Amino acid sequence: DTGVSQNPRHKITKRGQNVTFRCDPISEHNRLYWYRQTLGQGPEFLTYFQNEAQLEKSRLLSDRFSAERPKGSFSTLEIQRTEQGDSAMYLCASRDKTGAHYGYTFGSGTRLTVV
Amino acid sequence: AQRVTQPEKLLSVFKGAPVELKCNYSYSGSPELFWYVQYSRQRLQLLLRHISRESIKGFTADLNKGETSFHLKKPFAQEEDSAMYYCALTPVGNEKLTFGTGTRLTIIP
Repeated sequence: DTGVSQNPRHKITKRGQNVTFRCDPISEHNRLYWYRQTLGQGPEFLTYFQNEAQLEKSRLLSDRFSAERPKGSFSTLEIQRTEQGDSAMYLCASRDKTGAHYGYTFGSGTRLTVV
Repeated sequence: AQRVTQPEKLLSVFKGAPVELKCNYSYSGSPELFWYVQYSRQRLQLLLRHISRESIKGFTADLNKGETSFHLKKPFAQEEDSAMYYCALTPVGNEKLTFGTGTRLTIIP
């Protein structure tokens, strides 16, 4: 599978614990995005990387959230001191650098449940 | 700030009947609009983009700037069209997509 890969697929954690998710984009894609999707809603933008640079962050991304893309390849999203409101599907997407917006390629997501 | 509205959460259509999924947007500048689809147990995937003016799986969507709409249409529904459909917008040159809340389309055999 040469698509966008996300791990783990599911994560159940106790409130207050830290969690980390990983995203491996399509190798030639230099742009990488994190979105969050809660029940009954569309995906909401969290943050965006161009190569290793984090260029935009949503106000949804509180100080408990941090994302990295250290070598411009895979990315990690960490949530510290998880809260029940963090329960959601976390989606990663990537696209290449061509000028027109050809749309994202999404991963299958990581479903986080905070109990 | 931009917003995308999909007024129908659920839509049921008989096989062979026409389908129209509504999408309205608010954005003062030039938007790029997309339809994404998620079939059961599959990942979200791009269906079509307004700038390409293409027809994918029999679906078309026309950007109507006067009515700020980008409705998705198909003349004859097929059972395999049952899925969740999301309309999305990004300002030209921007990286961030704003999604609507989605419409779950069910095709009745």
